Amino acid sequence: KQEVTQIPAALSVPEGENLVLNCSFTDSAIYNLQWFRQDPGKGLTSLLLIQSSQREQTSGRLNASLDKSSGRSTLYIAASQPGDSATYLCAVSNFNKFYFGSGTKLNVKP
Amino acid sequence: DTEVTQTPKHLVMGMTNKKSLKCEQHMGHRAMYWYKQKAKKPPELMFVYSYEKLSINESVPSRFSPECPNSSLLNLHLHALQPEDSALYLCASSQDQYYEQYFGPGTRLTVT
Repeated sequence: KQEVTQIPAALSVPEGENLVLNCSFTDSAIYNLQWFRQDPGKGLTSLLLIQSSQREQTSGRLNASLDKSSGRSTLYIAASQPGDSATYLCAVSNFNKFYFGSGTKLNVKP
Repeated sequence: DTEVTQTPKHLVMGMTNKKSLKCEQHMGHRAMYWYKQKAKKPPELMFVYSYEKLSINESVPSRFSPECPNSSLLNLHLHALQPEDSALYLCASSQDQYYEQYFGPGTRLTVT
């Protein structure tokens, strides 16, 4: 069974800092990997989707990379802002299944 | 329009009640999903509908009954729930299975 792990579980940084969130998965036979953010008590907002054939996707201050062979993805956030404070989740899909990591709770201090 | 709507936002029900959750999207997506999320945990997939047919049922108890009346609408019928079923229920849709998923805001369910 696919297992998805996100490290660290929580992260607190001062505003303006660049940061990296990590996502690892045990089965490299994935179809795609998606990064989401979730604000407390709310639904998930899609940030980036990387297909298994892709290495990288960028949107604004966000950059996500995928190394399928090593079972890793990173989400890079440039020049962090207090509004970036949320829980960030990665999810992988393979063989008709969808697996979420347990998330990284990010706090950006003003 | 990349919006998925869910109603109601909050629902409190007794263990003998019957209620339904509703999810709607108008993006022309052909895959729709139900997830359950407990506090401080990631979402857990419950059901997937693809082209209005149930394609995945993650061994969900029969007290949860999904329905897809048309390509834009997804319902989750609830009956004889237990207090441990209290959670945030999230609906999502995607152009097709394995494409980018868009989530609704969720229904906060409390079973008393």
